[in-house]
Amino acid sequence: EDQVTQSPEALRLQEGESSSLNCSYTVSGLRGLFWYRQDPGKGPEFLFTLYSAGEEKEKERLKATLTKKESFLHITAPKPEDSATYLCAVQARTGANNLFFGTGTRLTVIP
Amino acid sequence: GAGVSQSPRYKVTKRGQDVTLRCDPISSHATLYWYQQALGQGPEFLTYFNYEAQPDKSGLPSDRFSAERPEGSISTLTIQRTEQRDSAMYRCASSLGELHEQFFGPGTRLTVL
Repeated sequence: EDQVTQSPEALRLQEGESSSLNCSYTVSGLRGLFWYRQDPGKGPEFLFTLYSAGEEKEKERLKATLTKKESFLHITAPKPEDSATYLCAVQARTGANNLFFGTGTRLTVIP
Repeated sequence: GAGVSQSPRYKVTKRGQDVTLRCDPISSHATLYWYQQALGQGPEFLTYFNYEAQPDKSGLPSDRFSAERPEGSISTLTIQRTEQRDSAMYRCASSLGELHEQFFGPGTRLTVL
């Protein structure tokens, strides 16, 4: 059964304090791993897709990496506007091609 | 359109009533998904369409839930005889195809009294 576990559930950082969010996954053949950002009251906003172990992608202060068992979202020198819930999701090679989401990490960056 | 839109944004109904939620995907997108999202959780898959075909509805929680996309564009999700446990945020997402990233709409917050 597909499973996605995100940690920590919540994270408070001082502005400029770099950290990483973790997404551990179990899936019957990974087609892709997706990171989304979700602001309160809004739909998830697409950030990255990773397809194979060793792959990395960057966007501004965010960098996503992938191994065979987990993905990390590294946040370098975060700013208050990076505060949001970050969701990780996997898409399996078989089945409905839907995204199977974790419960997210709620990030708060304090000025 | 510029993004995925959903209507209504909020719906309050009484237990036992039927409700229909609407999703208008990005115009070039062939694939459309429906998800249910509880507070503090990630979205959970309900069903999806490739154009007007509905290959999988395994996530629909009961036969009271149904979805349509008759012309391969706008989709509706209907819940018959609503129950309080149906209260949730319902999100629609669309993508160019099954293997592409999904773009989410703002959701419809359903409250069943």
